[in-house]
Amino acid sequence: EAGVTQFPSHSVIEKGQTVTLRCDPISGHDNLYWYRRVMGKEIKFLLHFVKESKQDESGMPNNRFLAERTGGTYSTLKVQPAELEDSGVYFCASSQVGTSGASTDTQYFGPGTRLTVL
Amino acid sequence: SQQGEEDPQALSIQEGENATMNCSYKTSINNLQWYRQNSGRGLVHLILIRSNEREKHSGRLRVTLDTSKKSSSLLITASRAADTASYFCATDNDMRFGAGTRLTVKP
Repeated sequence: EAGVTQFPSHSVIEKGQTVTLRCDPISGHDNLYWYRRVMGKEIKFLLHFVKESKQDESGMPNNRFLAERTGGTYSTLKVQPAELEDSGVYFCASSQVGTSGASTDTQYFGPGTRLTVL
Repeated sequence: SQQGEEDPQALSIQEGENATMNCSYKTSINNLQWYRQNSGRGLVHLILIRSNEREKHSGRLRVTLDTSKKSSSLLITASRAADTASYFCATDNDMRFGAGTRLTVKP
């Protein structure tokens, strides 16, 4: 089974430009999460999709960030216009609700996209 | 392979008992972090321990770090049903998470 994939693996852009990150979750996973880690700091939650709906977007830093999940499959995270402080590694994770009634659902993480804004 | 790998994969205890989970990593680090993930929610940062620290406390959490063994442990004392979650570790230079330890605390 293919895991969570993210594209691109690296992106270097200039301040003011636009970048779009893509995440392909594991097939059948309704939950999709975006996280960001700024250099040397802890990972921070950005938002959570359930299928195509935004369940929780409380972690989105500002309106320069736009996440979409068309059709409840892959998701994109657009940063426009990018600022220097947006540099970091953006992770995506997906999960499905446990069928056994377990109280937790394991998240599977992608390899991340390293974004550098110059 | 992942930098942070947790064990055991699953742990089930009674409320009030202590829970210990371990994490191993492969390369040198500046710090190691533990996270919790509750059902259907995102990751929550619990505690960060620096490479020059051996032990750190935060409430009912106790984290140890052994850089010679490249391992860390997370102890949750006097566990509660609300502690039921998956727990992950990650290092500062590699945020590829392992499968985590799924902790179930029975009331």
